[in-house]
Amino acid sequence: ELKVEQNPLFLSMQEGKNYTIYCNYSTTSDRLYWYRQDPGKSLESLFVLLSNGAVKQEGRLMASLDTKARLSTLHITAAVHDLSATYFCAVDMSSGGSNYKLTFGKGTLLTVNP
Amino acid sequence: NAGVTQTPKFQVLKTGQSMTLQCAQDMNHNSMYWYRQDPGMGLRLIYYSASEGTTDKGEVPNGYNVSRLNKREFSLRLESAAPSQTSVYFCASRPQNQARQHFGDGTRLSIL
Repeated sequence: ELKVEQNPLFLSMQEGKNYTIYCNYSTTSDRLYWYRQDPGKSLESLFVLLSNGAVKQEGRLMASLDTKARLSTLHITAAVHDLSATYFCAVDMSSGGSNYKLTFGKGTLLTVNP
Repeated sequence: NAGVTQTPKFQVLKTGQSMTLQCAQDMNHNSMYWYRQDPGMGLRLIYYSASEGTTDKGEVPNGYNVSRLNKREFSLRLESAAPSQTSVYFCASRPQNQARQHFGDGTRLSIL
């Protein structure tokens, strides 16, 4: 059974600071996704990482994937209040197949304080 | 362009009642998925449909059935609702040969 663990689950940070959210998973996969969810809203796709060493950046967020370590990171640079949300990582458990079935982590609730 | 549309947005049921959650996408995507989201649990896959005419179980299929009515529509049915099925249900779709899933706004279901 594939397990996906995020840490921390709760993160309170000040505006302007940097921080990293970690996503570890328990079995081989080279497809990892990051989503953002605002309270009461749907999931917004942030990044799709499809190979070892993949790095993607969008604004103040940067995601990377190390398939050998089974680890992805979401780095936040100079946080602003608008980044407050819950962030989920999800791992494709299809073992390279075409079904793209996702197993989600429990999410990291990020609060950025002035 | 509506994307993935789920109906209803909210529903309250009594234990034992039946209910069908509807999902439709207008992006000509091949694959569709149903997830449930519970507090502190992330999202869990209930069923998915890789293409029109096919469905398969996900991580938590017990108590649910699905129908892929056509390429656009993928419905989720609770035959005899139980309080443990109180959750937020999300439908998602994905185009062929692309990894990104597109999510609907969710259905908030409470079972008393």
